[in-house]
Amino acid sequence: DTEVTQTPKHLVMGMTNKKSLKCEQHMGHRAMYWYKQKAKKPPELMFVYSYEKLSINESVPSRFSPECPNSSLLNLHLHALQPEDSALYLCASSQRGGKGNTGELFFGEGSRLTVL
Amino acid sequence: KQEVTQIPAALSVPEGENLVLNCSFTDSAIYNLQWFRQDPGKGLTSLLLIQSSQREQTSGRLNASLDKSSGRSTLYIAASQPGDSATYLCAVRGNTNAGKSTFGDGTTLTVKP
Repeated sequence: DTEVTQTPKHLVMGMTNKKSLKCEQHMGHRAMYWYKQKAKKPPELMFVYSYEKLSINESVPSRFSPECPNSSLLNLHLHALQPEDSALYLCASSQRGGKGNTGELFFGEGSRLTVL
Repeated sequence: KQEVTQIPAALSVPEGENLVLNCSFTDSAIYNLQWFRQDPGKGLTSLLLIQSSQREQTSGRLNASLDKSSGRSTLYIAASQPGDSATYLCAVRGNTNAGKSTFGDGTTLTVKP
């Protein structure tokens, strides 16, 4: 199983709503990532979790709140978003870097978020 | 700070042609380099991963090479097909356990029947 599963595939929310994006993998990877991708741009790293602890936060606004409840799940909680936050949100996982690990990134299909 | 550049930004070729996509990076202290394919509105599909100690990897009609000293990688696609039409992204992972990868802007490939 080399799948990263993201739900929902599409989400429309108003600026006052609270919603969550979910990501799941069962490859035993201990590093999980959130990326944001705008149209015709490369993915931009938002957060990295390593062994369920937040290791990188790329200065993301606090209206995005990540959570890693266990080694297989990664959530992104959304609150008071702006229309410019509309994008494709991608989850990825990998083995941590280090001896014997390739560090290969596996991506989900993404959650398309529209903020009205 | 790692910077990754992909040339060309777009490429259109007739079916059957062999082609090369280029990726260059500024910091040679890398852990790996990974090539992805992305179809419109979809996630990223991993094509090939080259670890820092390797020079090339092959999968089917795809061959990727890595020259760390010059900061370059190429993705060679043989006998292109219309189904190869997509955006191709390279990502360079830094040489730490933090796991941060830097992406190029991608090359959008169109293969015409």
